[in-house]
Amino acid sequence: NAGVTQTPKFQVLKTGQSMTLQCAQDMNHEYMSWYRQDPGMGLRLIHYSVGAGITDQGEVPNGYNVSRSTTEDFPLRLLSAAPSQTSVYFCASSYLYEQFFGPGTRLTVL
Amino acid sequence: GENVEQHPSTLSVQEGDSAVIKCTYSDSASNYFPWYKQELGKRPQLIIDIRSNVGEKKDQRIAVTLNKTAKHFSLHITETQPEDSAVYFCAAPQDGTGNQFYFGTGTSLTVIP
Repeated sequence: NAGVTQTPKFQVLKTGQSMTLQCAQDMNHEYMSWYRQDPGMGLRLIHYSVGAGITDQGEVPNGYNVSRSTTEDFPLRLLSAAPSQTSVYFCASSYLYEQFFGPGTRLTVL
Repeated sequence: GENVEQHPSTLSVQEGDSAVIKCTYSDSASNYFPWYKQELGKRPQLIIDIRSNVGEKKDQRIAVTLNKTAKHFSLHITETQPEDSAVYFCAAPQDGTGNQFYFGTGTSLTVIP
């Protein structure tokens, strides 16, 4: 099992560019989430999904879109990158309350 | 919704001493409280959790205690070792499914050899 995988590991964008952060899991978990981690702020929930075709907003959804066409994949799209979106992004799947995190994507927006 | 506060934000202890990190929560319906350890540049990983029907849980040098009346739970690490140095996060469920969580702001623990 690869668990939860994320690509890319690092990304630098210019303000206004768009991109998609990829997330996949091979554990057949229904629940998946995206978090961002900023210094001193802990992990904040951006969007989550309770199954294929179902997504909902978390604590900080503005500027991000998600979709869930399959159980395995949960991509996060930045529509028009802003410097405030510079952060480390973690995808997670969960089962019976335990969260399994991916390795993270470090995003810098210039 | 849930609100989770974590203290202290930084903690330094001598090797062999104990470390205690405390979190408070606001939603009395919350029923599951995990603790995650994050080493520098790595992903958070679950180290211990507790459900609201018990007051304490131990796993070797790590323990978690829960006080439902006061709405706080604590992580206790005994006989600390340099490899315990990391950032520790507490969390509480955002909703009743237990699959989305509010996280504390983290405690950076340094164990001094």
